[in-house]
Amino acid sequence: SAVISQKPSRDICQRGTSLTIQCQVDSQVTMMFWYRQQPGQSLTLIATANQGSEATYESGFVIDKFPISRPNLTFSTLTVSNMSPEDSSIYLCSVVGNEQFFGPGTRLTVL
Amino acid sequence: GQQLNQSPQSMFIQEGEDVSMNCTSSSIFNTWLWYKQDPGEGPVLLIALYKAGELTSNGRLTAQFGITRKDSFLNISASIPSDVGIYFCAGRNAGNMLTFGGGTRLMVKP
Repeated sequence: SAVISQKPSRDICQRGTSLTIQCQVDSQVTMMFWYRQQPGQSLTLIATANQGSEATYESGFVIDKFPISRPNLTFSTLTVSNMSPEDSSIYLCSVVGNEQFFGPGTRLTVL
Repeated sequence: GQQLNQSPQSMFIQEGEDVSMNCTSSSIFNTWLWYKQDPGEGPVLLIALYKAGELTSNGRLTAQFGITRKDSFLNISASIPSDVGIYFCAGRNAGNMLTFGGGTRLMVKP
């Protein structure tokens, strides 16, 4: 399975600020996704990160709030913009190799 | 978004007991996956099922892909304290996107 790392692992941020989360994979992958997991909840897909083109967002998520970059096949970033306490969640990077795997997550708390 | 119906939502069992959880859907899936999430970690893939009726084991874990392609179950035999965590089912459709169940929180009493 692919080895996925995320930075930061956790952060506490003030409302109105933005945080960029990095996802690094140890091998080239075609499909890369970003998920959100709100406290006590299941995983919700935010968007598919497309290499060389704009991300594909799911219903309820927009580029202005969650801009995504995918400069190559091993790296992606997700920015959570203009944060509010409702954005407090775990954000997970996920890739498809022989199956779908998840990174360790970034635990975000917004005060 | 759409979620699979996963049950039970939580279980509190005695060490050594067997555990069973399941997921059902109104939609057909081509793949069923089972993940475990420990506190502060991302989900880890336990078992993948690709064929209706398939029964697959991974140590003390056994999972089956329902014959109707609309359900799957996961059994854990002889539970131990490190089995504690949240278990998620996920179904993949023809569009290659995963749909997740709500999770089963397992607690094991030593």
